[in-house]
Amino acid sequence: GAVVSQHPSWVICKSGTSVKIECRSLDFQATTMFWYRQFPKQSLMLMATSNEGSKATYEQGVEKDKFLINHASLTLSTLTVTSAHPEDSSFYICSATEPGSLLETQYFGPGTRLLVL
Amino acid sequence: AQSVTQLGSHVSVSEGALVLLRCNYSSSVPPYLFWYVQYPNQGLQLLLKYTTGATLVKGINGFEAEFKKSETSFHLTKPSAHMSDAAEYFCAVIPTGGGNKLTFGTGTQLKVEL
Repeated sequence: GAVVSQHPSWVICKSGTSVKIECRSLDFQATTMFWYRQFPKQSLMLMATSNEGSKATYEQGVEKDKFLINHASLTLSTLTVTSAHPEDSSFYICSATEPGSLLETQYFGPGTRLLVL
Repeated sequence: AQSVTQLGSHVSVSEGALVLLRCNYSSSVPPYLFWYVQYPNQGLQLLLKYTTGATLVKGINGFEAEFKKSETSFHLTKPSAHMSDAAEYFCAVIPTGGGNKLTFGTGTQLKVEL
């Protein structure tokens, strides 16, 4: 089946630093990838939709200069949290859609837990 | 905007008992409906989905869900709970003809007791 990986699985950083999270589709080419964030005991909130070779589309209220998304290839999308602050601490999950599948089913990565000190 | 409501943020059942997790959607036009499961510190895994056709949908791990238009519901059931079913379950929706952006419910934490 379609597998999506994320790296790193967890990261601790100091306030003010930038953190890059990678999302890879391992056995299929993903034209579209999604980035979500999930606070403890809460649901997933869509942050942005990333299409290969074009600019990401951000959801309302998500700062595009804060959360930089790059989808440079059909198997890799990156999310960079710039100048991270403690309130950015969260669980970040990506998903990827397999072109041609019914409704382009989303396959989710295992998530990256970010802790900003 | 299209949304789903999950009644009960926590559900506790005994091992071997019936599992029933509730999900209602808000739309006059039936959307596409999904159930996902999330184990601790992991991403989401698709359990099942309803698009069109048969209203009783069977998924993985013995779960199934029935789409009921008259009740705008898509409740998830499993006849006999197993300890390994303990996880967070999310109902999600994509509006019909609305692309592929998922909107998730708030989730239900399932606890299975001996």
